[in-house]
This record gives sequence, C-alpha cells and structure tokens, in this order.
Amino acid sequence: KNEVEQSPQNLTAQEGEFITINCSYSVGISALHWLQQHPGGGIVSLFMLSSGKKKHGRLIATINIQEKHSSLHITASHPRDSAVYICAVRIRGGGADGLTFGKGTHLIIQP
Amino acid sequence: DSGVTQTPKHLITATGQRVTLRCSPRSGDLSVYWYQQSLDQGLQFLIHYYNGEERAKGNILERFSAQQFPDLHSELNLSSLELGDSALYFCASSTTGAYGYTFGSGTRLTVV
Repeated sequence: KNEVEQSPQNLTAQEGEFITINCSYSVGISALHWLQQHPGGGIVSLFMLSSGKKKHGRLIATINIQEKHSSLHITASHPRDSAVYICAVRIRGGGADGLTFGKGTHLIIQP
Repeated sequence: DSGVTQTPKHLITATGQRVTLRCSPRSGDLSVYWYQQSLDQGLQFLIHYYNGEERAKGNILERFSAQQFPDLHSELNLSSLELGDSALYFCASSTTGAYGYTFGSGTRLTVV
C-alpha cells in the first residue's frame, strides 16, 4: 500500500467549476506539499502545509493532521489549470530523506 | 525560471553507456535532492546532498552515484544504463527541507 494516496487519479471538468483533489497519507509527517506539473515536465511547488489552511489566488490547500488528509481546491477553474497535481509528504523522523509522493491527479479543464 | 538549473534537458543514449546529469541549486540553497520520475513508479527520492556531504539515500541503484561540489552544484552519474532507466530526473534545492523545495525543469533521459 502506498504511503500517500491521491484521488481521483483523473478528473475532467468544465471551465468555471470548483475542483477538489484529495490526498490521504498513512505515516506521521512534518509537512505536506502540493506540487503542479504541466505537460513538458517542470514541477512547481504550490503549497507547503503543516497545519490549517493556505490560499494563493484561486488555489486553497487544507490539511487535517488528525485525519491524515489534505485537500487542494481550485475555484473558478480555467483551462490553464490543466496539469498533474501531486501530493508529497516529508515523513516525520525521516531525517534528511526527500519527499514521498502520491501518484498524482491528472486534471483537464475544458473550455 | 525557478532558479534551479538542470542540464541537459534531453539526453538519448544507448544501453550500457554512462551519463552525467548536472544540477545547479538556487542561490543560497545548500541542499540538493535528486528524484526519478518514471511512468510505472512515479516520483521517487534518490539521494540528498547538503553542503557537499551525502545526507540520505532513497531508492538509488548501485549503478547510480552522485556528488556535490564546493560551488554546490551537483552531478548524478548513471552507469551501465538499462532501458528501464529511461525517466525524467529532477533535482530540487532547499535551504533546509523545513522551508520547502524549488525544483528544476528536469532532464529527460531516454535509453535506447
């Protein structure tokens, strides 16, 4: 079983819709990251969370440490939001280890 | 431009060969992490260097090695390449992991 699970794996929506991507993890963490990867490959860090909620423009990320769950929301979605969204965690007690990743959610926003 | 530079962007090579991927971290960042992204395994942590010293190893094969130089750039060396090594290789830099990471644009390696 993967330590980081994302749902859905694929999501197609219409422009303007409210989007929610979920991430569940099974280990203790010191931080959770949401990443965006556009076709062509580059990875952009969207949020780093250890508690609560963060907002940047139309993107909102929340985390519930007790439930080991995080959500990424996109309001007023736009075709340029089409990308793969990846949840990643820094495992608590993992020392100098790198991130552990979910498999990603492939989002397509149709005009 | 994220501030993390990876070269080359694309690399095509034959099985059995050796290649070197290069990463220059964002100015001021002492940590460099290497990750491999393949279609079947997704993103996986390979190795972490901090200020020239190896700090942690992940799922890195013995055929792979890395180093970080005094100017903080890092190189990932892949040898005896196999078809299955074809993947995107990313580096990410950080001041410390507690403050987030900046990713490079990746090197796409194709082994034929």
